[in-house]
Amino acid sequence: AQSVTQLDSQVPVFEEAPVELRCNYSSSVSVYLFWYVQYPNQGLQLLLKYLSGSTLVKGINGFEAEFNKSQTSFHLRKPSVHISDTAEYFCAVSLGTGGNFNKFYFGSGTKLNVKP
Amino acid sequence: KAGVTQTPRYLIKTRGQQVTLSCSPISGHRSVSWYQQTPGQGLQFLFEYFSETQRNKGNFPGRFSGRQFSNSRSEMNVSTLELGDSALYLCASSPTAGNTIYFGEGSWLTVV
Repeated sequence: AQSVTQLDSQVPVFEEAPVELRCNYSSSVSVYLFWYVQYPNQGLQLLLKYLSGSTLVKGINGFEAEFNKSQTSFHLRKPSVHISDTAEYFCAVSLGTGGNFNKFYFGSGTKLNVKP
Repeated sequence: KAGVTQTPRYLIKTRGQQVTLSCSPISGHRSVSWYQQTPGQGLQFLFEYFSETQRNKGNFPGRFSGRQFSNSRSEMNVSTLELGDSALYLCASSPTAGNTIYFGEGSWLTVV
């Protein structure tokens, strides 16, 4: 079975400080990995994704994430956050094979609160 | 290119009623999937349709159903509504199998 764990439900940080949002997954097969962001009263917007290739993935709004297969992690980072980054962030995995196309498993989300 | 469009955005229903939500995928996308988002359970996969066929189904009761039309538009239906069905229902579309999904703004359902 697949599962996604986001250990931090809330992360407070001051503006211009760096931030890391943690994501660990459990799967017996290879997975695709994603980070989505949700602003209040909106749907989910894709930040970045790892399908294959380089383990360091760059996304929109200055975010990046690193896939670590041995630690089954896909942590999201930003070197300097802005007030506008305040939102909820979701890590997700997709099997992408064996008939499970587009069946995504989401973590419980991390609320990033950027303070001035 | 227009994004995923969901209608209605907000609706209030009474227990026991039924509801139909609509989703128009991004042009050219043939896969449509549905998710339920609640504060307690988070984001949960409902089902996925590809070329008018249900290809995957989550662990929801039979009251939750869906369909996809030849133009890839999709609808989901919830019958005999319960208070616990109050949630944000999100539709997502994808151009190919096993790739990225793109979400709509969602339909907020409140059951009273």
